Amino acid sequence: NAGVTQTPKFQVLKTGQSMTLQCAQDMNHNSMYWYRQDPGMGLRLIYYSASEGTTDKGEVPNGYNVSRLNKREFSLRLESAAPSQTSVYFCASSERGVQYQETQYFGPGTRLLVL
Amino acid sequence: QKEVEQNSGPLSVPEGAIASLNCTYSDRGSQSFFWYRQYSGKSPELIMSIYSNGDKEDGRFTAQLNKASQYVSLLIRDSQPSDSATYLCAVKMDSNYQLIWGAGTKLIIKP
Repeated sequence: NAGVTQTPKFQVLKTGQSMTLQCAQDMNHNSMYWYRQDPGMGLRLIYYSASEGTTDKGEVPNGYNVSRLNKREFSLRLESAAPSQTSVYFCASSERGVQYQETQYFGPGTRLLVL
Repeated sequence: QKEVEQNSGPLSVPEGAIASLNCTYSDRGSQSFFWYRQYSGKSPELIMSIYSNGDKEDGRFTAQLNKASQYVSLLIRDSQPSDSATYLCAVKMDSNYQLIWGAGTKLIIKP
C-alpha cells in the first residue's frame, strides 16, 4: 500500500517550458488535491477534484491545469512555466467520513525550480 | 476572507517540557480542525483532528477546541527532540472540500 505517490521528485525548468506533475493514490479515495507550498506560507490549494470526472479551482489556479484521469490519478500541468511557480507541490487525497470528518493524506512532494 | 492564523515561531521548548501551539480562525461556522506535523523537506502528516469543543487526547498530544473564542491548540507533553518540526493548523470551514491552512509554527525542542 504505497499511499499517495508523486513524480518527479525534483525538476528544473526554464521559463516558458511545460511539464506535467503526476499523482496517484491507491487508497480508493474520491477526493484529490494539488497544493503549492512556499517558504513562510501555508499550503495553498491550486485545484481539487471531489470525484472522478470533476475538477474545481482552488485559491491559486492561474497558470495551471489539471486532469482527473481516473479515480487513482490526478495530474497537474504547467503550460508555460514562470519563475513565480518555483515551489514545492504536494498532491493529497481524502475520503469524506461522518459529517465533516475527513483526513487528507499527502504525497512526498515535487520540488520545482523555474529559471 | 477566511483565515487561519498561527505564530510562525520558532518556539523553543526544553526537552521534557510541555509545548503549546495555538491557532485562531476567522469563520465561526468552521466544523473540523486538524493539526499536521511537517518535518523539514517532508510532507505534512496528520497528528490529530478535533470536531467538538473541549479536549481530545492521543498519547502525548492533546488538542483543545474552543469554538466560542475561535481557537484551537495543540499541547505536546514530555517534548522530545523528535518533536522538532513545523506544526500546521488546518480548518474546514463548511461543507466545501477545501481546508484553509495556517502558515505553521516551527517548534524546536532543545535537549
